[in-house]
Formats: sequence, structure tokens, C-alpha cells
Amino acid sequence: AQSVTQLDSHVSVSEGTPVLLRCNYSSSYSPSLFWYVQHPNKGLQLLLKYTSAATLVKGINGFEAEFKKSETSFHLTKPSAHMSDAAEYFCVVSDTGRRALTFGSGTRLQVQP
Amino acid sequence: NAGVTQTPKFRILKIGQSMTLQCTQDMNHNYMYWYRQDPGMGLKLIYYSVGAGITDKGEVPNGYNVSRSTTEDFPLRLELAAPSQTSVYFCASSGQGQETQYFGPGTRLLVL
Repeated sequence: AQSVTQLDSHVSVSEGTPVLLRCNYSSSYSPSLFWYVQHPNKGLQLLLKYTSAATLVKGINGFEAEFKKSETSFHLTKPSAHMSDAAEYFCVVSDTGRRALTFGSGTRLQVQP
Repeated sequence: NAGVTQTPKFRILKIGQSMTLQCTQDMNHNYMYWYRQDPGMGLKLIYYSVGAGITDKGEVPNGYNVSRSTTEDFPLRLELAAPSQTSVYFCASSGQGQETQYFGPGTRLLVL
């Protein structure tokens, strides 16, 4: 069985300050991990994915995430927040057997001017 | 390249009515999925398909049916709409040997 826990339901930062969105996972297999972003009333867009290559994964829009097996974590970071980063972020783990995704409950990122 | 398209964008149903949510992808992906997203929650898998003619249940299949007669299309059927099916429905697809899923824009369904 696999599961994902996003440790914060809501994060608020000031524009230009760092962003940290936390995610812990549980998986019986070597997992594939993803971060998706959802802007209001929009579909989901892939930010980045980890598939057992480099543990530090770089994504779009300056985001990156580090896979830490010992901590079962896959936290998402960005050095400097922009107003356009305000959205809902989902950490996702993949069941490689049937290629279904298990979603975390999401973290809403608010960026203050 | 349109990617994954869904119709309709929004629909209001009365309790007991039926409807079909359409999903089409033009990326020649074998794998297709239906998810629902309830307010403040992540997505939950309803049904998925690994190729034409093959479908399987996900986490929350009750009250829904699917079919996959072609590679491109994966419609989701609600036979007897219930208020608990009020949600936003997302269709997604992925290619063989890949795990990145590409999502459609969603269908917002309200059952009254």
C-alpha cells in the first residue's frame, strides 16, 4: 500500500522569500514521486518528478525537490516566491504496478505582496 | 496538439438523472484514468484503463461505469446521479512505459 502525507494544508509566504512545501510518503516499492500544481479553476500541471535517478530534481518555474529515502520525504522548495506561484500543490506517489497515482490532500500556497 | 480534452466543462444534474462525461486524448496513450476531486481534497481514482477494451476499478468506483472502445476515448457514465457525486472530475492519460500523467481541464458536476 502507498500513501502520501502533506504536512501543511496552508502555507503563506511573502513575495521574494523561500518556499517550502513538505511531503512524506509511504510505499512498498521504489516509488515514483511527483509534484503537481493546480491554479484556481484549472487542471493539474506537472511541476517535477522523481524516478530513481538524481535525488535532487529540478522542475519548472524554479521549483525543485529532494528525494530523501531515509526520511521518506520529498519536500518541494523554491528560493524566491512569486505572486504567480499562489496555487494548490499536490504531492503524488505512483503505484508502479497499475500506474495509478495516490494524491496527498494538497497544500495551498498563498503569496503576500 | 490538444492533449486531453473533457466535455462538458460544467453540468447541473437532478438526483436520479444520468449523464456521460467525455474524455479524449490525442497523444496515443494506452493508459487513461478518471479521478474525482472533492473540495479541499486531493484526487481519488475512480476507474482506469490500460488499453482499448480493458478497464479496472480504482479507489472509489461505486456509482460509475466506464468503457474503452478506442485508444482515444474514455467516457465516464453516471447512471443514477446522487448529491454525493457532486465533484470536479478529471481525466488523465499516460503513455506506455511512462508514468507522467497528463490531465484534462476538468468537468465540474453539481447534483441537486
